[in-house]
Amino acid sequence: DSGVTQTPKHLITATGQRVTLRCSPRSGDLSVYWYQQSLDQGLQFLIQYYNGEERAKGNILERFSAQQFPDLHSELNLSSLELGDSALYFCASSPSTGIGEKLFFGSGTQLSVL
Amino acid sequence: GENVEQHPSTLSVQEGDSAVIKCTYSDSASNYFPWYKQELGKGPQLIIDIRSNVGEKKDQRIAVTLNKTAKHFSLHITETQPEDSAVYFCAASYGNDMRFGAGTRLTVKP
Repeated sequence: DSGVTQTPKHLITATGQRVTLRCSPRSGDLSVYWYQQSLDQGLQFLIQYYNGEERAKGNILERFSAQQFPDLHSELNLSSLELGDSALYFCASSPSTGIGEKLFFGSGTQLSVL
Repeated sequence: GENVEQHPSTLSVQEGDSAVIKCTYSDSASNYFPWYKQELGKGPQLIIDIRSNVGEKKDQRIAVTLNKTAKHFSLHITETQPEDSAVYFCAASYGNDMRFGAGTRLTVKP
């Protein structure tokens, strides 16, 4: 158990809908990262937050947004969902935001858009 | 940005044999190279990592080597066991941006 909690584990929704994925980092970790894993794309970095502030942005679509709250949990919001958004979404946390930080991953949320 | 290529995409070995997975990276500024193991239904788990000031690191049956000049690094698993079967990801990072390889599905046959 990595100590990173993601909910829900599975999510089934329809095209055009909006969903929210939730992540609780390991106790004491200030950084939260979101990754998307699909069969043909591997692990794609979406966005990172550090202590409530956006720190780095990857291949995140404009339809997606995230935030990190004062208690350090994070939410990833996906809107106007398309079939291609179906994927496994992982949250990871690390103690800080320095170079070479070890990432601890949650078990992921499997999103299916029908 | 960084681009990480990983080979092979699938690898099947007999129990007790060694397995080698190779990765190359493009950004010479990358200085941290972790390896993750992902079992079915679970998130990736860090198994070993190496920093750019080190050429090799070992942890029991697992070792990682880094060639900064050639910009490639490799994972070596010796005396493989069925429980080593999983998907393995390499990654390279500089600062906040960690990029992953596409993964290698390792199958260890009993």
